Amino acid sequence: DTVLTQSPALAVSPGERVSISCRASEGVNSYMHWYQQKPGQQPKLLIYKASNLASGVPARFSGSGSGTDFTLTIDPVEADDTATYFCQQSWNDPRTFGGGTKLELK
Amino acid sequence: QVQLQQSGAELAKPGSSVKISCKASGYTFTSYYISWIKQTTGQGLEYIGYINTGSGGTNYNEKFKGKATLTVDKSSSTAFMQLSSLTPDDSAVYYCARRLPGYNFWFAYWGQGTLVTVSS
Repeated sequence: DTVLTQSPALAVSPGERVSISCRASEGVNSYMHWYQQKPGQQPKLLIYKASNLASGVPARFSGSGSGTDFTLTIDPVEADDTATYFCQQSWNDPRTFGGGTKLELK
Repeated sequence: QVQLQQSGAELAKPGSSVKISCKASGYTFTSYYISWIKQTTGQGLEYIGYINTGSGGTNYNEKFKGKATLTVDKSSSTAFMQLSSLTPDDSAVYYCARRLPGYNFWFAYWGQGTLVTVSS
C-alpha cells in the first residue's frame, strides 16, 4: 500500500502562512487530495488533484506538488483553521490517507 | 443539495455483525459510487471500498475483504455496509462518501459518520 507521511502537528499564529507536507512512499502522479476535519465532524474536501480548490473553499487554501511530495498551504491562517488536515491519494490501489497534521493556533 | 444521512451509533458484542446505512438525497443515486471509510484514533482513515450503485458491483480494499459487505437498495437510494465477526479492532467511526462528478476517488460529500463500538 502507498504510505502517506505527514508531520503530526504544527502551531502557527493567526495571519501567518503555514505549509503542511505529505510525502508518498511511491509516486501518485497528481492524484493527491486534501481534507480538513474539525472535532466531531466529517472530513471536508479542500483540494483535489494536488492543486484544484474545491467548491466553496476560501482562496487562502492552495495545494502544490506531484509525484511523491505535496504541500497544502494556508495563507493567511485564521483562527477557524484550527483542525486536522489529511492527505489522500487515489492513484494507487488501495486508496490511502495520511495520518493527519493537527494545526493549532498560538 | 447532496446529502448522505447515516444510521445511528451501534453497540455490538464481539463475534456479532452490524449493518450501517447511508441514505442519499439531492442527486441521482445510481450515477455515483458510494465509498466507505473507517476512522480510528490509532489507525487514522482507512479506505474500505466502494459499491457501484447502478450495477451493485463492489471493489474492496484487500484488508477489508471478508470483514465488510457492501450492498445497495436502489428503491430507497440507500447504501449499506455490513461488518461481520466483530472484534474490538472494528470499533471506529465509519463514513460513507461520494465523489465529485466524473470518474474519480476524491470525496466531496460525506455522511456524518456512524460510531460502532464493539464490547462485551
